[in-house]
Amino acid sequence: DIQMTQSPSSLSASVGDRVTITCRASQSISSYLNWYQQKPGKAPKLLIYAASSLQSGVPSRFSGSGSGTDFTLTISSLQPEDFATYYCQQKFTFGPGTKVDIK
Amino acid sequence: QITLKESGPTLVKPTQTLTLTCTFSGFSLSTSGVGVGWIRQPPGKALEWLALIYWNDDKRYSPSLKSRLTITKDTSKNQVVLTMTNMDPVDTATYYCAHALVVVVAATWGNWFDPWGQGTLVTVSS
Repeated sequence: DIQMTQSPSSLSASVGDRVTITCRASQSISSYLNWYQQKPGKAPKLLIYAASSLQSGVPSRFSGSGSGTDFTLTISSLQPEDFATYYCQQKFTFGPGTKVDIK
Repeated sequence: QITLKESGPTLVKPTQTLTLTCTFSGFSLSTSGVGVGWIRQPPGKALEWLALIYWNDDKRYSPSLKSRLTITKDTSKNQVVLTMTNMDPVDTATYYCAHALVVVVAATWGNWFDPWGQGTLVTVSS
């Protein structure tokens, strides 16, 4: 089975900061890596699919990149509503999550 | 607009079987490339994928839970049912169902989940 890791597991940032989250697969997964945002008490929301495609309705400050085993999610300018936990996913495996909170 | 909603018991006893129903609208589970997945999340923990059923009735299960899970679909009712046997307190979690899209390009494929249902909290306790 392919294992997914994320780093960091948590981070503190300020509004306006540029934030980068990394997801690594234990073996190549081509470009089929997706990113979700989850706020407390809510269902996850798809942000990025197939590594770099922005889901409809998601703000353009979110972007994804990578292929093979290494992927990144970038928030170009962190907004108050972006404080949440972010998960990567490929096929049937989710990463452990990265919690983004307020510095 | 695609919507999904989970239903089922909120409390089950250890060793009992859990049956959850996902009722959806806005898509057909007979459309090529479409599936419905189940994902759970124990309180304060990460997401864990459980099972997925595809438009062609192909089914996939989490290897660690495969012996306990069964997923079925009723296309005419727009429902997907997940059963999990021999429930244990460690199975306490919010259970989500989600619409899945499967993309195949050459020899590779991928899938993503969007949207998700609101989730239902299932507590396992005697």
